[in-house]
Amino acid sequence: KAGVTQTPRYLIKTRGQQVTLSCSPISGHRSVSWYQQTPGQGLQFLFEYFSETQRNKGNFPGRFSGRQFSNSRSEMNVSTLELGDSALYLCASRETPGNTIYFGEGSWLTVV
Amino acid sequence: GENVEQHPSTLSVQEGDSAVIKCTYSDSASNYFPWYKQELGKRPQLIIDIRSNVGEKKDQRIAVTLNKTAKHFSLHITETQPEDSAVYFCAASIGTDKLIFGTGTRLQVFP
Repeated sequence: KAGVTQTPRYLIKTRGQQVTLSCSPISGHRSVSWYQQTPGQGLQFLFEYFSETQRNKGNFPGRFSGRQFSNSRSEMNVSTLELGDSALYLCASRETPGNTIYFGEGSWLTVV
Repeated sequence: GENVEQHPSTLSVQEGDSAVIKCTYSDSASNYFPWYKQELGKRPQLIIDIRSNVGEKKDQRIAVTLNKTAKHFSLHITETQPEDSAVYFCAASIGTDKLIFGTGTRLQVFP
């Protein structure tokens, strides 16, 4: 099976712009979660989607949003980008039922 | 909500020595505890996990122990090798709820 695929891998945006990141989970996995990774804060949970519904949400401002499509692919959007949004955004998929999550390679976002 | 503390933040060992990383969780309802290894520039990958109905689990040179009473769990790596150098993350969750990660431990194994 192919692993979790994230696009784009690298991107540079300007403050105030918005960005959309995409994630294709492992085939058959219906749960997709998103994490933000920064050197100082480690892996911070953003949100999780299952069957097109948001199941869980972390403590991030409303500028961070996501959605999931009927084929389980997910997107996350960050509006009005700030310098502090520069980070590695990791998507993970999980087979349900089950606990183990499998990460994608991530999308490196730099905000200038 | 759940909080996971991880120590130490950095750990340097000589090749062949053992390494121990410790994590403490706050929610006594947590029952799933995975450990992930992240090499430089790569994705975090699961190396071992343990559920609350088990006190210890081993897989070759790595082992995880869980103390539910004290709400802490530890990763033990024996006979360390240079390729063990990476950042290690512990995590905790309640069932299939969101995984909460510790802040990571950078392990350096010197030849």
